[in-house]
Amino acid sequence: EAGVAQSPRYKIIEKRQSVAFWCNPISGHATLYWYQQILGQGPKLLIQFQNNGVVDDSQLPKDRFSAERLKGVDSTLKIQPAKLEDSAVYLCASSQDRDRDTGELFFGEGSRLTVL
Amino acid sequence: GDSVTQMEGPVTLSEEAFLTINCTYTATGYPSLFWYVQYPGEGLQLLLKATKADDKGSNKGFEATYRKETTSFHLEKGSVQVSDSAVYFCALLQTGTYKYIFGTGTRLKVLA
Repeated sequence: EAGVAQSPRYKIIEKRQSVAFWCNPISGHATLYWYQQILGQGPKLLIQFQNNGVVDDSQLPKDRFSAERLKGVDSTLKIQPAKLEDSAVYLCASSQDRDRDTGELFFGEGSRLTVL
Repeated sequence: GDSVTQMEGPVTLSEEAFLTINCTYTATGYPSLFWYVQYPGEGLQLLLKATKADDKGSNKGFEATYRKETTSFHLEKGSVQVSDSAVYFCALLQTGTYKYIFGTGTRLKVLA
Protein backbone atom coordinates (compact mmCIF):
# COMPACT_ATOMS: atom_id res chain seq x y z
CA GLU A 1 0.00 0.00 0.00
CA ALA A 2 1.11 3.56 -0.64
CA GLY A 3 2.66 5.41 2.28
CA VAL A 4 2.09 8.90 3.59
CA ALA A 5 2.87 11.43 0.84
CA GLN A 6 4.20 14.91 1.57
CA SER A 7 5.21 17.82 -0.61
CA PRO A 8 7.32 19.76 -1.17
CA ARG A 9 10.36 17.93 0.23
CA TYR A 10 12.35 21.14 0.52
CA LYS A 11 11.41 24.81 0.68
CA ILE A 12 13.52 27.91 1.18
CA ILE A 13 11.79 31.22 1.86
CA GLU A 14 12.60 34.57 3.38
CA LYS A 15 11.15 35.66 6.69
CA ARG A 16 7.68 37.16 6.51
CA GLN A 17 6.87 35.12 3.41
CA SER A 18 4.26 32.38 3.43
CA VAL A 19 4.53 28.66 2.75
CA ALA A 20 2.17 25.70 2.51
CA PHE A 21 2.80 22.00 2.98
CA TRP A 22 0.57 19.22 1.74
CA CYS A 23 0.01 15.75 3.13
CA ASN A 24 -1.92 12.75 1.84
CA PRO A 25 -2.26 10.03 4.49
CA ILE A 26 -2.54 6.31 3.97
CA SER A 27 -5.93 5.44 2.53
CA GLY A 28 -8.47 4.71 5.24
CA HIS A 29 -6.49 6.32 8.07
CA ALA A 30 -8.85 8.51 10.08
CA THR A 31 -6.25 10.26 12.22
CA LEU A 32 -3.73 12.70 10.78
CA TYR A 33 -0.96 14.52 12.64
CA TRP A 34 1.39 17.39 11.82
CA TYR A 35 4.64 17.48 13.78
CA GLN A 36 7.44 20.03 13.82
CA GLN A 37 10.95 18.62 14.17
CA ILE A 38 13.64 21.19 14.88
CA LEU A 39 17.23 20.04 14.36
CA GLY A 40 18.44 18.06 17.36
CA GLN A 41 14.98 17.74 18.89
CA GLY A 42 12.22 15.18 18.81
CA PRO A 43 8.99 15.69 16.87
CA LYS A 44 6.58 18.13 18.52
CA LEU A 45 2.87 17.80 17.80
CA LEU A 46 1.34 20.84 16.11
CA ILE A 47 -2.13 19.56 15.33
CA GLN A 48 -4.08 16.31 15.31
CA PHE A 49 -7.16 15.64 13.16
CA GLN A 50 -9.71 12.88 13.56
CA ASN A 51 -11.39 12.68 10.14
CA ASN A 52 -11.89 16.40 9.37
CA GLY A 53 -12.24 17.55 12.97
CA VAL A 54 -9.46 18.97 15.15
CA VAL A 55 -8.63 16.84 18.21
CA ASP A 56 -5.65 18.77 19.56
CA ASP A 57 -4.14 22.04 18.36
CA SER A 58 -2.91 23.28 21.73
CA GLN A 59 0.70 23.69 20.51
CA LEU A 60 -0.10 25.27 17.16
CA PRO A 61 1.00 28.95 17.01
CA LYS A 62 -2.35 30.11 15.72
CA ASP A 63 -1.21 33.65 14.98
CA ARG A 64 0.88 32.34 12.08
CA PHE A 65 0.12 28.66 11.57
CA SER A 66 -3.08 27.20 10.18
CA ALA A 67 -4.08 23.73 9.06
CA GLU A 68 -7.07 22.15 7.46
CA ARG A 69 -8.17 18.71 6.46
CA LEU A 70 -10.94 18.97 3.95
CA LYS A 71 -13.17 15.93 3.44
CA GLY A 72 -11.20 14.02 6.05
CA VAL A 73 -8.48 12.96 3.63
CA ASP A 74 -5.51 15.14 2.69
CA SER A 75 -4.34 18.10 4.71
CA THR A 76 -2.54 21.41 4.27
CA LEU A 77 -0.36 23.20 6.83
CA LYS A 78 0.28 26.89 6.21
CA ILE A 79 2.69 29.34 7.80
CA GLN A 80 2.11 33.06 7.26
CA PRO A 81 4.23 35.04 7.94
CA ALA A 82 7.25 32.79 8.52
CA LYS A 83 9.87 33.52 11.15
CA LEU A 84 13.47 32.37 11.34
CA GLU A 85 12.58 29.98 14.19
CA ASP A 86 10.13 28.14 11.92
CA SER A 87 13.08 26.50 10.16
CA ALA A 88 12.43 22.80 10.77
CA VAL A 89 11.21 19.59 9.19
CA TYR A 90 7.42 19.33 9.11
CA LEU A 91 6.31 15.74 9.47
CA CYS A 92 2.92 14.36 8.61
CA ALA A 93 1.77 11.08 10.12
CA SER A 94 -1.40 9.03 10.06
CA SER A 95 -2.94 6.11 11.90
CA GLN A 96 -6.07 4.01 11.89
CA ASP A 97 -8.59 4.26 14.69
CA ARG A 98 -7.89 0.72 15.75
CA ASP A 99 -4.19 1.52 15.96
CA ARG A 100 -4.90 3.79 18.91
CA ASP A 101 -4.40 0.68 21.00
CA THR A 102 -1.39 -0.63 19.08
CA GLY A 103 -0.03 2.88 18.73
CA GLU A 104 1.68 2.74 15.37
CA LEU A 105 2.12 5.99 13.50
CA PHE A 106 2.99 6.03 9.81
CA PHE A 107 5.17 8.97 8.84
CA GLY A 108 5.86 10.72 5.58
CA GLU A 109 9.39 11.71 4.58
CA GLY A 110 8.87 15.25 5.81
CA SER A 111 9.09 18.75 4.35
CA ARG A 112 12.26 20.64 5.23
CA LEU A 113 11.71 24.39 5.60
CA THR A 114 14.55 26.90 5.70
CA VAL A 115 13.64 30.49 6.56
CA LEU A 116 16.32 33.07 5.68
CA GLY B 1 3.82 16.57 32.49
CA ASP B 2 4.77 13.39 30.73
CA SER B 3 8.23 13.26 29.19
CA VAL B 4 10.81 11.01 27.57
CA THR B 5 14.55 11.30 28.14
CA GLN B 6 17.09 9.66 25.86
CA MET B 7 20.84 9.44 26.07
CA GLU B 8 22.55 12.06 23.98
CA GLY B 9 24.36 11.10 20.84
CA PRO B 10 26.00 10.63 18.61
CA VAL B 11 26.87 7.05 19.44
CA THR B 12 29.67 5.67 17.29
CA LEU B 13 30.32 1.93 17.27
CA SER B 14 32.30 -0.54 15.23
CA GLU B 15 30.42 -3.20 13.30
CA GLU B 16 29.38 -6.20 15.47
CA ALA B 17 29.61 -4.18 18.68
CA PHE B 18 26.87 -4.32 21.34
CA LEU B 19 24.44 -1.42 21.37
CA THR B 20 22.50 0.12 24.24
CA ILE B 21 20.53 3.35 23.90
CA ASN B 22 19.02 4.44 27.20
CA CYS B 23 15.48 5.75 27.48
CA THR B 24 13.58 6.70 30.61
CA TYR B 25 10.13 8.17 30.89
CA THR B 26 7.84 10.06 33.23
CA ALA B 27 4.14 9.42 32.85
CA THR B 28 0.89 9.14 34.69
CA GLY B 29 -1.01 5.96 34.12
CA TYR B 30 0.32 3.14 31.98
CA PRO B 31 1.57 4.41 28.64
CA SER B 32 2.61 2.28 25.70
CA LEU B 33 6.28 2.64 24.78
CA PHE B 34 7.89 2.71 21.35
CA TRP B 35 11.14 2.96 19.49
CA TYR B 36 11.01 4.64 16.10
CA VAL B 37 13.94 4.75 13.68
CA GLN B 38 14.75 7.33 11.02
CA TYR B 39 17.18 6.21 8.33
CA PRO B 40 18.95 8.92 6.30
CA GLY B 41 16.56 10.63 3.91
CA GLU B 42 13.53 8.70 5.14
CA GLY B 43 10.60 9.27 7.48
CA LEU B 44 10.30 7.80 10.95
CA GLN B 45 9.17 4.20 11.10
CA LEU B 46 8.18 1.98 13.96
CA LEU B 47 10.96 -0.31 15.13
CA LEU B 48 9.33 -1.99 18.11
CA LYS B 49 6.80 -1.42 20.85
CA ALA B 50 5.60 -2.67 24.24
CA THR B 51 2.16 -1.99 25.63
CA LYS B 52 2.46 -3.10 29.25
CA ALA B 53 4.97 -3.67 32.02
CA ASP B 54 7.50 -6.50 31.48
CA ASP B 55 6.59 -6.78 27.78
CA LYS B 56 9.57 -7.15 25.47
CA GLY B 57 9.40 -5.65 22.02
CA SER B 58 11.70 -7.00 19.34
CA ASN B 59 12.40 -6.48 15.65
CA LYS B 60 15.40 -6.77 13.31
CA GLY B 61 17.59 -8.00 16.18
CA PHE B 62 16.70 -5.02 18.39
CA GLU B 63 15.02 -5.54 21.76
CA ALA B 64 13.59 -3.36 24.52
CA THR B 65 11.82 -4.33 27.74
CA TYR B 66 9.16 -2.19 29.43
CA ARG B 67 10.47 -1.75 33.00
CA LYS B 68 7.84 -0.09 35.16
CA GLU B 69 9.96 -0.19 38.33
CA THR B 70 12.76 1.81 36.70
CA THR B 71 10.52 3.66 34.19
CA SER B 72 12.88 2.62 31.42
CA PHE B 73 12.72 1.20 27.90
CA HIS B 74 16.35 0.78 26.84
CA LEU B 75 17.07 -0.29 23.27
CA GLU B 76 19.63 -3.08 22.76
CA LYS B 77 21.17 -5.01 19.91
CA GLY B 78 23.79 -7.66 20.26
CA SER B 79 25.69 -7.00 17.04
CA VAL B 80 25.17 -3.81 15.06
CA GLN B 81 25.69 -3.45 11.33
CA VAL B 82 26.58 -0.47 9.19
CA SER B 83 22.99 -0.49 7.92
CA ASP B 84 21.76 0.26 11.47
CA SER B 85 23.19 3.78 11.21
CA ALA B 86 20.18 6.03 11.83
CA VAL B 87 18.48 8.23 14.41
CA TYR B 88 16.51 6.36 17.07
CA PHE B 89 13.57 7.96 18.90
CA CYS B 90 12.01 6.69 22.08
CA ALA B 91 8.35 7.62 22.51
CA LEU B 92 5.37 7.06 24.75
CA LEU B 93 1.67 7.05 24.00
CA GLN B 94 -0.34 8.59 26.80
CA THR B 95 -3.32 6.62 28.02
CA GLY B 96 -6.61 8.44 27.63
CA THR B 97 -5.42 11.34 25.49
CA TYR B 98 -3.66 9.11 22.89
CA LYS B 99 -0.99 11.79 22.62
CA TYR B 100 2.54 10.79 21.66
CA ILE B 101 5.56 12.22 23.44
CA PHE B 102 8.90 11.79 21.66
CA GLY B 103 12.43 11.92 23.00
CA THR B 104 15.06 14.06 21.32
CA GLY B 105 16.53 11.18 19.34
CA THR B 106 19.93 9.45 19.45
CA ARG B 107 22.07 9.31 16.35
CA LEU B 108 23.89 6.00 15.84
CA LYS B 109 26.83 5.69 13.48
CA VAL B 110 28.25 2.25 12.82
CA LEU B 111 31.70 2.01 11.23
CA ALA B 112 32.83 -0.90 9.07
